[in-house]
Amino acid sequence: QKEVEQNSGPLSVPEGAIASLNCTYSDRVSQSFFWYRQYSGKSPELIMSIYSNGDKEDGRFTAQLNKASQYVSLLIRDSQPSDSATYLCAVNLLDSSYKLIFGSGTRLLVRP
Amino acid sequence: EAGVTQFPSHSVIEKGQTVTLRCDPISGHDNLYWYRRVMGKEIKFLLHFVKESKQDESGMPNNRFLAERTGGTYSTLKVQPAELEDSGVYFCASSQEWGGNGYTFGSGTRLTVV
Repeated sequence: QKEVEQNSGPLSVPEGAIASLNCTYSDRVSQSFFWYRQYSGKSPELIMSIYSNGDKEDGRFTAQLNKASQYVSLLIRDSQPSDSATYLCAVNLLDSSYKLIFGSGTRLLVRP
Repeated sequence: EAGVTQFPSHSVIEKGQTVTLRCDPISGHDNLYWYRRVMGKEIKFLLHFVKESKQDESGMPNNRFLAERTGGTYSTLKVQPAELEDSGVYFCASSQEWGGNGYTFGSGTRLTVV
């Protein structure tokens, strides 16, 4: 079983819709959770981090964490074509807090 | 502030040859990490430097890979001899803090071994 799992997609949504990206993680102790956006051929860019259960909002982005269900999601409101990218979920483990464990990423396509 | 710089951006080498990748972290970042993404799979941790010391090299695949960070500034990752399965994108990242937050990634080196 992979430690961090994501649906590879592509997830296709129309412009202006809400895009919902999901990530599950294994039952090892996970401390911190991150969403990175990666455009093709570019570096991963951190867009959200979340550490405690609940929702965290930043502009059009909302991260949701449910530790009991081992589930973290990213909602993108009012999706724009420029949001089209691969979204990577990553977790930190408590016993190696410097290391990120990545999912394989979900490709998002926002149709104009 | 300059970001994390990696070069070359692309490298194509033959099996059995040697390749050296370089990473220049953000100035003042003591923590430097190497990751790689192979064959469309997930990005995986290779190793972590704190200044010039290897904190964790548990992700290094085998002894054909050698990472150094002389003087605690830039880092190199040498693959010798390269094998076909080493093809992928090698990312470097740096951070001031010890932890996942605050990572800045470089744009990666795409290595193709033929």
